[in-house]
Amino acid sequence: KQEVTQIPAALSVPEGENLVLNCSFTDSAIYNLQWFRQDPGKGLTSLLLIQSSQREQTSGRLNASLDKSSGRSTLYIAASQPGDSATYLCAVSSGGGADGLTFGKGTHLIIQP
Amino acid sequence: KAGVTQTPRYLIKTRGQQVTLSCSPISGHRSVSWYQQTPGQGLQFLFEYFSETQRNKGNFPGRFSGRQFSNSRSEMNVSTLELGDSALYLCASSPGFANTGELFFGEGSRLTVL
Repeated sequence: KQEVTQIPAALSVPEGENLVLNCSFTDSAIYNLQWFRQDPGKGLTSLLLIQSSQREQTSGRLNASLDKSSGRSTLYIAASQPGDSATYLCAVSSGGGADGLTFGKGTHLIIQP
Repeated sequence: KAGVTQTPRYLIKTRGQQVTLSCSPISGHRSVSWYQQTPGQGLQFLFEYFSETQRNKGNFPGRFSGRQFSNSRSEMNVSTLELGDSALYLCASSPGFANTGELFFGEGSRLTVL
């Protein structure tokens, strides 16, 4: 059964810093990995999707990498801003979709002004 | 392009009642998936519908059911509500099978069971 772990569970940094969020998964037989953002009481906003054949994806200040063989992904946020404060969730798709996406518990990020 | 729309956004029920939640996917998307989010368990997969057929189902009791209509809109139903069913229920749509592409989520329906 696929398991997804996100470290750290919470992170607080001053505005302007570059930061890295980590995601690890136990079964490397994945179709893709997706990073989401969730604001309090809201739904999930898709940030980046990495297919299993890809190594990284970039969108603006965000860069996500995927190392399928080691079961790891990182989300790099450059020049952080207070508006980046949210919970960041990593999810993997595997096993023909029988279990849907498997989500990590998320990293709660606070950017201090 | 309109996003995923879920109704109602908030609802309060009592134990033993049943509830129906609705999800309208992004136009052209044929897959609708449902997830339950709680503080303790996080996000858990309920089921996926594709072209009116249930494609996959998560590990939830039979009280949780769903369906999809020909216009891709989906509903999920929870019967005989229990306190533990209190959660944020999220719907996601995708153009093809949910496990192969990007998922787009709605704002969720927050259910409180008293």
